[in-house]
Amino acid sequence: KNEVEQSPQNLTAQEGEFITINCSYSVGISALHWLQQHPGGGIVSLFMLSSGKKKHGRLIATINIQEKHSSLHITASHPRDSAVYICAGKSQGGSEKLVFGKGTKLTVNP
Amino acid sequence: NAGVTQTPKFQVLKTGQSMTLQCAQDMNHEYMSWYRQDPGMGLRLIHYSVGAGITDQGEVPNGYNVSRSTTEDFPLRLLSAAPSQTSVYFCASSSRSALRGYRGQPQHFGDGTRLSIL
Repeated sequence: KNEVEQSPQNLTAQEGEFITINCSYSVGISALHWLQQHPGGGIVSLFMLSSGKKKHGRLIATINIQEKHSSLHITASHPRDSAVYICAGKSQGGSEKLVFGKGTKLTVNP
Repeated sequence: NAGVTQTPKFQVLKTGQSMTLQCAQDMNHEYMSWYRQDPGMGLRLIHYSVGAGITDQGEVPNGYNVSRSTTEDFPLRLLSAAPSQTSVYFCASSSRSALRGYRGQPQHFGDGTRLSIL
């Protein structure tokens, strides 16, 4: 079993829909990253959070440390949001190591 | 700032050849790391460095060497390429202040190197 699990693996939505991608982890972490990988392969860091909620534009990330669960929400989805979204847990104890989920492929149709 | 620069973008090698993947960052980041990405698997850490002169192994270090002689550069060496090392390789860097909650981009990634070993 992977230490970081994402669901769903694939997600297809219509433009304008509200999107939720989930991330659960079985190891202790000090923070969780959400990343976006574009169809061309480039990876962009979206959020790093250790508690509560963060918002950037139409993207919202939440985390519940006790339940070991994080969600990434996209409001008013757009075809340009089509990408692979990856969550990664940052190890506790001062290490900077990240453990990655396998990613959620999102396709937003016009 | 150029961010994180990886070269080359594409490379084809024959089994047994050696090569070095280059990674450079101009943001004075302390932390640099190398990942490989394979179909159906998440990014996996190969080696990482928390500062010049300091490196450590990640999850899948076998067959790879690294060194960090300067803050800016973190090359990844394949000593004797094997078909199992066919993958897309990403270099990333981050600042300790960002990782501790400073409101900046936590991780900066290079554009990747697509490596095929025949």
